[in-house]
Amino acid sequence: EAGVVQSPRYKIIEKKQPVAFWCNPISGHNTLYWYRQNLGQGPELLIRYENEEAVDDSQLPKDRFSAERLKGVDSTLKIQPAELGDSAVYLCASSYLRGGPVIEQYFGPGTRLTVT
Amino acid sequence: KNEVEQSPQNLTAQEGEFITINCSYSVGISALHWLQQHPGGGIVSLFMLSSGKKKHGRLIATINIQEKHSSLHITASHPRDSAVYICAAHSGGGADGLTFGKGTHLIIQP
Repeated sequence: EAGVVQSPRYKIIEKKQPVAFWCNPISGHNTLYWYRQNLGQGPELLIRYENEEAVDDSQLPKDRFSAERLKGVDSTLKIQPAELGDSAVYLCASSYLRGGPVIEQYFGPGTRLTVT
Repeated sequence: KNEVEQSPQNLTAQEGEFITINCSYSVGISALHWLQQHPGGGIVSLFMLSSGKKKHGRLIATINIQEKHSSLHITASHPRDSAVYICAAHSGGGADGLTFGKGTHLIIQP
């Protein structure tokens, strides 16, 4: 079974430019997460989707960040315009919500963004 | 909001040594995850536990719910165990996002 796929793996852009990251979750997983991990820190949740609905986007900087999961499968995270402080690893994870107490999340390899 | 603290931040040990990484959290949780992250960013889930102890190969994870503390142990450590180990707390239910510690950077020298 294929894992969570992310692209690109690495991206270098100049500040004020737009950038987009793509994630394809594990087949059948209805929940998708985007996390941001700054250097030397643990990941922090940006947004969580259940199917195509964003159910938790409280930590997403909405002035420059946007995300979509139109058909409830793959997802795109966009930054426009990028700032120097956006340099980080952007991680996508997916899981299957069955209604149980806790579910395991499966992580993709991440996209390392460098803004110059 | 749950605060997740890990110690030590950095650990260098010799091959074969017994390794312990600690994690404490401030608010009651439904589960705690131990994750491994290699250079390049990808994260692999090692354990998810809500009570007691779990073992997988040379890895052992324990949790004490009353003390809000968990430990990850590596027996007979090997250079390939070198990675960042992250604990993450699942405070809510179902599919809620995780709260992560900052990670422990482990280096096992041959």
